Amino acid sequence: ETGVTQTPRHLVMGMTNKKSLKCEQHLGHNAMYWYKQSAKKPLELMFVYSLEERVENNSVPSRFSPECPNSSHLFLHLHTLQPEDSALYLCASSRHGSGYGYTFGSGTRLTVV
Amino acid sequence: DQQVKQNSPSLSVQEGRISILNCDYTNSMFDYFLWYKKYPAEGPTFLISISSIKDKNEDGRFTVFLNKSAKHLSLHIVPSQPGDSAVYFCANTSGTYKYIFGTGTRLKVLA
Repeated sequence: ETGVTQTPRHLVMGMTNKKSLKCEQHLGHNAMYWYKQSAKKPLELMFVYSLEERVENNSVPSRFSPECPNSSHLFLHLHTLQPEDSALYLCASSRHGSGYGYTFGSGTRLTVV
Repeated sequence: DQQVKQNSPSLSVQEGRISILNCDYTNSMFDYFLWYKKYPAEGPTFLISISSIKDKNEDGRFTVFLNKSAKHLSLHIVPSQPGDSAVYFCANTSGTYKYIFGTGTRLKVLA
């Protein structure tokens, strides 16, 4: 158990579907993140929420829509995705300003068909 | 633009020997360097970090070295164990929320 739980673990969706990824942490952290991991690429930061406010959006297409209703939960809403969006989506949390690392979830393996 | 590069996509080492994983970075803006370890089907887990004011940090079998003049970071694992087989990512951060990750090096420790 990593302390950061992501559901679902695997997701296959069509390009016209709408789905949501969920992330939950009960570590008392105050910052949460979405990362995308594609093959042979660095981990790409997508969104950052600090104290439930979005503080960074790294030029992510609007077909990805994050939501942070409280400090323990983070969602990534997906709609009209493309096959190139297939990747591992990782959620992480941290204590803001700690500099001592994130706690990552196990990820959601997303396949867009 | 800050970049973190891991130029070796894979590394194989015999059990009991030393594993050395390397990382280069392009500028020194950020104050902390970290290593993460990732097993298949799991998220990365924090392994060890080093502040830019130090040149070495040790934790059990893991030692991270920082050479600021060469802008080079390395992780030494000794002795290597089969359970160390994983993908290792280096990362650089200012200590707030922004992290820059490398592409990872897949380590295989042969029994």
